[in-house]
Amino acid sequence: KAGVTQTPRYLIKTRGQQVTLSCSPISGHRSVSWYQQTPGQGLQFLFEYFSETQRNKGNFPGRFSGRQFSNSRSEMNVSTLELGDSALYLCASSFTMGTGRYEQYFGPGTRLTVT
Amino acid sequence: SQELEQSPQSLIVQEGKNLTINCTSSKTLYGLYWYKQKYGEGLIFLMMLQKGGEEKSHEKITAKLDEKKQQSSLHITASQPSHAGIYLCGAARSNDYKLSFGAGTTVTVRA
Repeated sequence: KAGVTQTPRYLIKTRGQQVTLSCSPISGHRSVSWYQQTPGQGLQFLFEYFSETQRNKGNFPGRFSGRQFSNSRSEMNVSTLELGDSALYLCASSFTMGTGRYEQYFGPGTRLTVT
Repeated sequence: SQELEQSPQSLIVQEGKNLTINCTSSKTLYGLYWYKQKYGEGLIFLMMLQKGGEEKSHEKITAKLDEKKQQSSLHITASQPSHAGIYLCGAARSNDYKLSFGAGTTVTVRA
């Protein structure tokens, strides 16, 4: 099975612009989560989507948004970029069924640099 | 997250020696995940623990979740250069997939 894929891998944007990142989960996985990793704050949860619905959201401003498509692929969008948004953005996918807990697998990440 | 403390912050071990990393939570854990990360890259899944007292092993890596489900340890036996990297523990505090992570432990293996 192919792993979690993220595109693009690297991105350079200018302050004030917006950006869209894409994540394709492992085949059969319906839960997709997004995380931001920075040297100062570490790894922080952004949001999680399941069956095209946002199930959980972290403490990030409304400039950060996401969505999930019927094929479970997900995108996250950051509008009005700030220098502090420079980070590694990681996507993770999980198989979910009922109330069971399953492994969560991460993609290689998208390195976003805001100048 | 201050709710999830990893120790030590970093460690240097001679190749062939054992090492242990600890992850302590201030709250009960519903699930505990261990990952390895090479700097600037994605996280590699190692193990997931759910039940108090649970212990899992994969190759030379063993992870345990204590009975009260508030602490986990990761033990590497006979370390190799391939074990070098950043080890992260991630905690689920409820029955969902929102994970909070520790700051990570940087492992250096010296030949």
